[in-house]
Amino acid sequence: SQQGEEDPQALSIQEGENATMNCSYKTSINNLQWYRQNSGRGLVHLILIRSNEREKHSGRLRVTLDTSKKSSSLLITASRAADTASYFCATPHTGTASKLTFGTGTRLQVTL
Amino acid sequence: ETGVTQSPTHLIKTRGQQVTLRCSSQSGHNTVSWYQQALGQGPQFIFQYYREEENGRGNFPPRFSGLQFPNYSSELNVNALELDDSALYLCASTNPQGAGELFFGEGSRLTVL
Repeated sequence: SQQGEEDPQALSIQEGENATMNCSYKTSINNLQWYRQNSGRGLVHLILIRSNEREKHSGRLRVTLDTSKKSSSLLITASRAADTASYFCATPHTGTASKLTFGTGTRLQVTL
Repeated sequence: ETGVTQSPTHLIKTRGQQVTLRCSSQSGHNTVSWYQQALGQGPQFIFQYYREEENGRGNFPPRFSGLQFPNYSSELNVNALELDDSALYLCASTNPQGAGELFFGEGSRLTVL
């Protein structure tokens, strides 16, 4: 079963606009990670936020984490056509470090 | 480029056959995990290998098996293929000094007819 659920499932914006994706999860976590996947290819790690952090930045990415609501958001500012991809949140399983539970993803389309 | 390489990139099998997928992990990464990603879904954890032993398994039947070699490379074997096994199979390695980020290969797309 999927632990994280992303919202929206699909998002279409124009270049230059900001894109916000949300993720909800069910159990307590040590960290939450966001990954990006270009069509049919491997996933690329974007950012990891620990459970004791509330906000983290990396370039044009801003991630927030609200452990009381079991939710996270990923903001991409000033989006570009190259940001077109699927974005997944993932949470680790206690005891098995590389067992991540992924959501179903948000498909982002950035048009010129 | 994550440094994780998988082969083959695409393959087609028929129901009942067996398949072996291969993965070379990034240098220094001693933990390898395998994921199955069906079309339109997020990746699902199959199992993890650490020091050549299976160390964590998801909800997959025993016909999914694996190996890890001394150089940390890995294989995923699937026996008695079923149509629902059609998916993208992703290998990921983990830096033992990291916080748990996964470094994925580009995947092997398996089609079962």
